[in-house]
Amino acid sequence: DQQVKQNSPSLSVQEGRISILNCDYTNSMFDYFLWYKKYPAEGPTFLISISSIKDKNEDGRFTVFLNKSAKHLSLHIVPSQPGDSAVYFCAARSAGGGADGLTFGKGTHLIIQP
Amino acid sequence: DTGVSQNPRHKITKRGQNVTFRCDPISEHNRLYWYRQTLGQGPEFLTYFQNEAQLEKSRLLSDRFSAERPKGSFSTLEIQRTEQGDSAMYLCASSLIGVREKLFFGSGTQLSVL
Repeated sequence: DQQVKQNSPSLSVQEGRISILNCDYTNSMFDYFLWYKKYPAEGPTFLISISSIKDKNEDGRFTVFLNKSAKHLSLHIVPSQPGDSAVYFCAARSAGGGADGLTFGKGTHLIIQP
Repeated sequence: DTGVSQNPRHKITKRGQNVTFRCDPISEHNRLYWYRQTLGQGPEFLTYFQNEAQLEKSRLLSDRFSAERPKGSFSTLEIQRTEQGDSAMYLCASSLIGVREKLFFGSGTQLSVL
């Protein structure tokens, strides 16, 4: 059962426009959410995070929005640049104890077209 | 380079053989994680260490898998009697206590079991 869902396997956006990547979750115990970016042949790298007590976090061109009632978060990239082409993973941490690792979605492959 | 280092980058083995991977975390990081990623999936948590203590194991970690972190520094992941289903990217990550959600990943070891 996928507790973190990224329903779009791929997304194509024109350079300079906004990229919006979506993520849904089912576990109400998740209290911290992160986005990771992955280039081919490299490990994921941390991009931005948000605590469940907030609804927005911004870092430069990247903004993450959290809608707890909908169990939905999104990553906005403005403006999109060619170097943003990568696979983006949504991840979540449970406050309920148990495994201290993160639960990842399957990823969305973002393609920035020139 | 002070990032997370994993060796080897690639490993091809025959079914039934044993394999061992090594991970060297960022030196000041006291938490070390092992994840597995298969094609089209996000990373899946396997186990983690805080210093030399292995604190959590996923149900994905069968009896054929064993991980160690003998001196709280580098870690090894051994798979005994490999099966074709073990073919995956094995990712190591490290973090600091207090900022454990921000995992720093290595480039991974790609295992192919023939």
